[in-house]
Amino acid sequence: DIVMTQTPLSLSVTPGQPASISCKSSQSLLHSDKKTYLYWFLQRPGQPPQLLIYELSNRFSGVPERFSGSGSGTDFTLKISRVEAEDVGVYYCMQSVQLPNTFGQGTRLEIK
Amino acid sequence: DVQLVQSGGGVVRPGGSLRLSCAASGFTFNDFGMSWVRQVPGKGLEWVSGINWDGGATGYADSVKGRFTISRDNAKNSLYLEMSSLRAEDTALYYCARGSSYGYRYNWFDPWGQGTLVTVSS
Repeated sequence: DIVMTQTPLSLSVTPGQPASISCKSSQSLLHSDKKTYLYWFLQRPGQPPQLLIYELSNRFSGVPERFSGSGSGTDFTLKISRVEAEDVGVYYCMQSVQLPNTFGQGTRLEIK
Repeated sequence: DVQLVQSGGGVVRPGGSLRLSCAASGFTFNDFGMSWVRQVPGKGLEWVSGINWDGGATGYADSVKGRFTISRDNAKNSLYLEMSSLRAEDTALYYCARGSSYGYRYNWFDPWGQGTLVTVSS
């Protein structure tokens, strides 16, 4: 199985400040079709996960522009340009280039 | 609204069986693959199983292979997970989720159901 490793496991951010979460995979997530099968989800307290970013860097419908995804191969980053109170929750990266789909351990974001 | 509403779940003894259901609405169900993902309360996410649009292809995590069966009834817009030989380590919140294509591979998941708790305990 592909192992997804996120850092940090938690971060505390002042509203208006940027935040960055790293995700590293044990194998390349770049497929022969040139797509990178890396996704980012946010799970707010008491809610199911919701998709933020698909295929490395594409913001899903309705996701604010302050969220962006980048990276290549095995190293990926989710950036929030200016954190807002509603961004609180646990962020997960996920890969689907190889079954089983696997998730990172999660990064808990709290507001200072 | 695109929606997935789950039912089933509950408390079951080790070795027992349970069936989870997921009713879809607001979209053409048979245009999408579907998956089940579980989460031990307070812990991370684990993909459990996936099925393609017509049920002709399925996949399972090694941890449930041979014990769980995923199926769908497109006439009823419903997804199912039949769980047997349940173990304490199967205790989790189970989510159904819509895939992003006809298959269940190379997918992202959106939306997710509300989750249903399965507790395996004597």
